[in-house]
Amino acid sequence: GQNIDQPTEMTATEGAIVQINCTYQTSGFNGLFWYQQHAGEAPTFLSYNVLDGLEEKGRFSSFLSRSKGYSYLLLKELQMKDSASYLCAVIDSNYQLIWGAGTKLIIKP
Amino acid sequence: IAGITQAPTSQILAAGRRMTLRCTQDMRHNAMYWYRQDLGLGLRLIHYSNTAGTTGKGEVPDGYSVSRANTDDFPLTLASAVPSQTSVYFCASSPGGSSYNEQFFGPGTRLTVL
Repeated sequence: GQNIDQPTEMTATEGAIVQINCTYQTSGFNGLFWYQQHAGEAPTFLSYNVLDGLEEKGRFSSFLSRSKGYSYLLLKELQMKDSASYLCAVIDSNYQLIWGAGTKLIIKP
Repeated sequence: IAGITQAPTSQILAAGRRMTLRCTQDMRHNAMYWYRQDLGLGLRLIHYSNTAGTTGKGEVPDGYSVSRANTDDFPLTLASAVPSQTSVYFCASSPGGSSYNEQFFGPGTRLTVL
């Protein structure tokens, strides 16, 4: 079966750095997305990785290792508004998007 | 309209009733999707449409139907609602029919079936 694993919940301090991991076992791989979802709102796109390595976009970076079936989202200089759920999603060999359950990130002052 | 809209925002429905959730986008995106999101589970694809006039089944299509008569609208119908269909429903669209494209989500419809 297809599986995407993310921690259910993480807590971090304002101004700090946090890394949210995502491991996947899917039938094939054609790319990986990270989305942010604030409570009661719709998911919004953060990043897309298809090649190994780090993609940096402002305070957010996303890393991919295809050989390890692993990605992480790195958030720097955390702000209270970063409190949200972070969803990892993988495109499988049938070009279907498989979603993880998401990681709820709690930021404390 | 700016982006993608859904209606209603929320609904309480008696089991056995028929219900249509509406979704409209003004971005001229080819592809549209319906997901349900339940606590502790990832988004699950119900149905999708890669272009107007075509639809396909996702991971959890049973009990749901869709149509795509034009580019902008993608309604989701529950023919006879059951309590297990209580969920938050998100409609999404993307520019092309490929999964490589970023998906843009509507605000969601919170549905409760009693």
